[in-house]
Amino acid sequence: SQQGEEDPQALSIQEGENATMNCSYKTSINNLQWYRQNSGRGLVHLILIRSNEREKHSGRLRVTLDTSKKSSSLLITASRAADTASYFCATRTSGSRLTFGEGTQLTVNP
Amino acid sequence: DAGVTQSPTHLIKTRGQQVTLRCSPKSGHDTVSWYQQALGQGPQFIFQYYEEEERQRGNFPDRFSGHQFPNYSSELNVNALLLGDSALYLCASSFGLAGVQETQYFGPGTRLLVL
Repeated sequence: SQQGEEDPQALSIQEGENATMNCSYKTSINNLQWYRQNSGRGLVHLILIRSNEREKHSGRLRVTLDTSKKSSSLLITASRAADTASYFCATRTSGSRLTFGEGTQLTVNP
Repeated sequence: DAGVTQSPTHLIKTRGQQVTLRCSPKSGHDTVSWYQQALGQGPQFIFQYYEEEERQRGNFPDRFSGHQFPNYSSELNVNALLLGDSALYLCASSFGLAGVQETQYFGPGTRLLVL
C-alpha cells in the first residue's frame, strides 16, 4: 500500500506562477524525498529533507516538513514549461526502501 | 560517470511466459533496489539486493525473484506472467545499507507489456 498521498492529483498553471504540491504520510520516517518523472520515464531525485529538518531549499525548489502532521510540501517558484512532469514524494523508514505516493501531475502552460 | 542503466527498454511478453530484466548500478554503488510502477500510480518496492543477497522485500509474490552479481549488477525475474504484471520496472542504486540518508538513483526503466 502507498505510504504517501499527494495533493492535488493534477495541477495546471501558467509559466511564471508558483506550484505547490502536498504530501501526507502515515508512519514515522527517517527522511522524505521528492522525485520528478517525465512521461513515464525514470525518476529524477530533486531534494531530500531529514526528519529533524523543517525546511530546505534547492534552486527554485522549497520543501517543508511537518512531522507532527506527517506532511510535506514542495514549492516550485517561477515555473517553466520544462517543469511539466509528475512529482512524487517518497518516505524512507526502515532499511533503505522508499515508499512512494500516487504523484501530482503538474502542467505548466507557456 | 555512467548512471544507472537498464535493459531492455521495452519488452512484450504473453501470459505465462517468463522475463528477465537487467540493471547496472551507478559507478561506486553496491546496493540495487527494484520497483514496479503501474500506469498512473507511484512506484512500489519489490526487493533490494546487497552483497548478492536479498535484504528487503515488498509485498510481491514468489513469482518475482532476483539476483545480484559480484560486479553489483542485478537481474529481476518474473515467472508465469500475468496481465497485471504490465508496468514500468525501475531499478535504483545506492551505496550501502546503513546510511539511512542515502539518495537512490533511478534508471530509465523497462516497460513490460504482457498480452
